Amino acid sequence: DTAVSQTPKYLVTQMGNDKSIKCEQNLGHDTMYWYKQDSKKFLKIMFSYNNKELIINETVPNRFSPKSPDKAHLNLHINSLELGDSAVYFCASSQFSPGQGYGYTFGSGTRLTVV
Amino acid sequence: DAKTTQPPSMDCAEGRAANLPCNHSTISGNEYVYWYRQIHSQGPQYIIHGLKNNETNEMASLIITEDRKSSTLILPHATLRDTAVYYCIVRPSNSGYALNFGKGTSLLVTP
Repeated sequence: DTAVSQTPKYLVTQMGNDKSIKCEQNLGHDTMYWYKQDSKKFLKIMFSYNNKELIINETVPNRFSPKSPDKAHLNLHINSLELGDSAVYFCASSQFSPGQGYGYTFGSGTRLTVV
Repeated sequence: DAKTTQPPSMDCAEGRAANLPCNHSTISGNEYVYWYRQIHSQGPQYIIHGLKNNETNEMASLIITEDRKSSTLILPHATLRDTAVYYCIVRPSNSGYALNFGKGTSLLVTP
């Protein structure tokens, strides 16, 4: 009954390859996010989708392309992988509740290693 | 988003209360204060959040000063499993924003 699930958990790949990370949430949330945590442990927002529409797009190379087939899924496709893409990628979802603000739930992360 | 300032690290003895401070002196009236923690590269875990009033749940208490320029997260009886990085984040209540994580406070609970 995992709330936000990401696959795969670990991904090791060579430079230049194209790879995808999948994320699914079963919370009924209307907004989903991708975060990147680098080796210095900083967690940075990359993208956000609300009801399948892109609403946040931080300064991220266009080799990264998010895709949201429906509001329960947000996948991350990365082209031409580089060594600097090695990081842990976290998916998250949120929902607004009147009087409560936004509640966020995070997945357990995908550790990407580019060799 | 308003920025937050937290001490980089703190220690706490097991069984004692851990009080984690956070300054958010430029917070706006519609911004909530959120606390999350991350245990050893797991996904960030929600702890508590509030707007003006003090809040308490099964994990922690959140004390927000009257001027809302600072807050304190209280773990009443810290355990070894509470060792983690704790993030204080302020976020507007309207849509179009994400949680922006700073460097957080690395809390070490010792036996």
